[in-house]
Parts: sequence; C-alpha cells; structure tokens
Amino acid sequence: QVLLVQSGPVVRKPGASVKVSCKASGYTFLTSHISWVRRAPGQGLEWMGWISPNTGRVDFAQKFQGRVTLTTDTSTRTAYLELRGLRSDDTAMYYCARGLKLNWFAPWGQGTLVTVSS
Amino acid sequence: QSALTQPASVSGSPGQSITISCTGTNSDIGHFNSVCWYQQHPDSAPKVMIYDVTIRPSGVSNRFSGSKSGNTASLTISGLQAEDEADYYCSSYTSDNTVVFGGGTKLTVL
Repeated sequence: QVLLVQSGPVVRKPGASVKVSCKASGYTFLTSHISWVRRAPGQGLEWMGWISPNTGRVDFAQKFQGRVTLTTDTSTRTAYLELRGLRSDDTAMYYCARGLKLNWFAPWGQGTLVTVSS
Repeated sequence: QSALTQPASVSGSPGQSITISCTGTNSDIGHFNSVCWYQQHPDSAPKVMIYDVTIRPSGVSNRFSGSKSGNTASLTISGLQAEDEADYYCSSYTSDNTVVFGGGTKLTVL
C-alpha cells in the first residue's frame, strides 16, 4: 500500500520558519516526484512546488520563489518542505502528494496544519 | 500563473447530472492534455477522480467523466448521489513546468 505520512500540526509566530516532513512507503521513492499543495481556510488548493527525489530538481510556483525550500532524504524516503518568513496568510493545511504524472497526484498525505499566530 | 476559473458552486438533486467547467488559457488547458479533477470532502485529503482529461483511475465510479474543448475542461457527474457532495478542483500542467489549480467548486446534492 502506497502511503505518505506527514508530521504533526505546528504553531509558529510571524517571521518564523516551519519545516514539514512527508515520509513515503510502499513504492520506489526515486521513481515519482513529490508535490506540495496547501489549502488556506476558506480558500482553494494552491500548488507550491515539486521535487524529483531522483535528480533533486525543483520547480516552484512563482509566488513561493525564494521563500520555500524543498528537499528529500532518500535514505529515509522522506520529503521536506521549509517555508520561511511566515505570515498570517500562510496559515493553512499543507499536503504532500506523490506525482504519478505531471499534475496527477496520488496518494496524498494526510495534511499538516500550520498555524501562524502571534 | 493565474488560477483556472471554476464556478463557485453547483447543485443538483439525486439522480441528476451536473457539469463543472474549468477555464484556462493557451498556456495550460489549451496546450496540454494534462487536466486532472480532484474531489475533496471536509477534513480529508483530495482524491483524484480524472487524469489526462478523460481517464478514470481504478476504483473511481464511471459516473464521473471528463472532457475538454479548447481552453475549457469539464467534469460531469451523472446519477448524483449524496456522497458526491464535496469540493471539486481542476488542475492543469502549464508551459512554465508548473501546476495550476482552479479555485474550486462546491457541489451540493439537494
């Protein structure tokens, strides 16, 4: 069974950073990219970026360029999202998802709630 | 990259059919056959219902179908059931080697 299990909810102050993990199991980690998608309260899904665990190549949505770092640890089959300079509008559920083909994402992690509050 | 355009809400009665539209540009939907549709129930992760415009993954009901014409993709759900009530999102690959989602459509089954 293919599974993505994410780290637990976190609370951060404005200006801080957060790092969310996504541990994969049930498939060959190197063969599929990992995408990160968020959904803020009352908003829709927003694609943030993706990383190829095989090559390390990353691509980002323009609005996240310079504020997001995506990495993987192939030894532990874990992907990471780091978001810096947190603002209140970064409060959202953050999802990782396995990319089967471009924008075909399956499965998704269970989500990590990041709350930014002073 | 701007979000794809979807209606904010649609509704239908059990047994009826509904269609959700998704409009993009020549740089995404109009250029690539990489349109996906996702269903998201409250407090759950999204689930893919259609990929590559028309293809249903294994396990997805054949009541769900997808199509595309020009810069607009559509998701049709036939024989509406109460369990179909959810948020639906389209997405497309783009010429910037990125992914864009639609704003989402809330489906209400009356």
